[in-house]
Amino acid sequence: DARVTQTPRHKVTEMGQEVTMRCQPILGHNTVFWYRQTMMQGLELLAYFRNRAPLDDSGMPKDRFSAEMPDATLATLKIQPSEPRDSAVYFCASGLVENTEAFFGQGTRLTVV
Amino acid sequence: AQSVTQLGSHVSVSEGALVLLRCNYSSSVPPYLFWYVQYPNQGLQLLLKYTSAATLVKGINGFEAEFKKSETSFHLTKPSAHMSDAAEYFCAVSRPGGSYIPTFGRGTSLIVHP
Repeated sequence: DARVTQTPRHKVTEMGQEVTMRCQPILGHNTVFWYRQTMMQGLELLAYFRNRAPLDDSGMPKDRFSAEMPDATLATLKIQPSEPRDSAVYFCASGLVENTEAFFGQGTRLTVV
Repeated sequence: AQSVTQLGSHVSVSEGALVLLRCNYSSSVPPYLFWYVQYPNQGLQLLLKYTSAATLVKGINGFEAEFKKSETSFHLTKPSAHMSDAAEYFCAVSRPGGSYIPTFGRGTSLIVHP
């Protein structure tokens, strides 16, 4: 059963600490998305990769957030330093450009205290 | 630019009643349209998608949606609600070709009463 795997599922950290979230996209998928979900803003696109190359990260605060794909099986989203306003659920999704739909992981619930 | 508007942040129905969740889109080119469902503490799951084939699209769990270009709408319906349908529903739009990126609506919470 192919699925997008995100780790950790939950993370509580103190303000100022570095947070790294990991995503394993579905094998063979060539696009990866990072979304952030909050009650206030809904689902916001943070970053978009195609064939491991970042194509759109305009929604990501550049001073503290970074997203990478070291290889085709791993995508990372890093926040350094973290702030309480970063508390949200972060979703990774992957897909095939040809099929257009996105397959979502179960998310990482981040709480920054 | 592309966007979707979901009318009503909450919709409440009785079990067995018709479900209607509204979505209107804006797109400069013929769009691809999607409905996703999110159960508590889960990721989003695709219900159905429209990609310029048949305008009436059938999805999983008895849901369907109709693409109406003249109304720029893609409303989601189900003839008879079940308790297990209670969830958050998201409409999304993307642009075929190029660097497609799904843009999501704010979501509609479906509440089903016994």
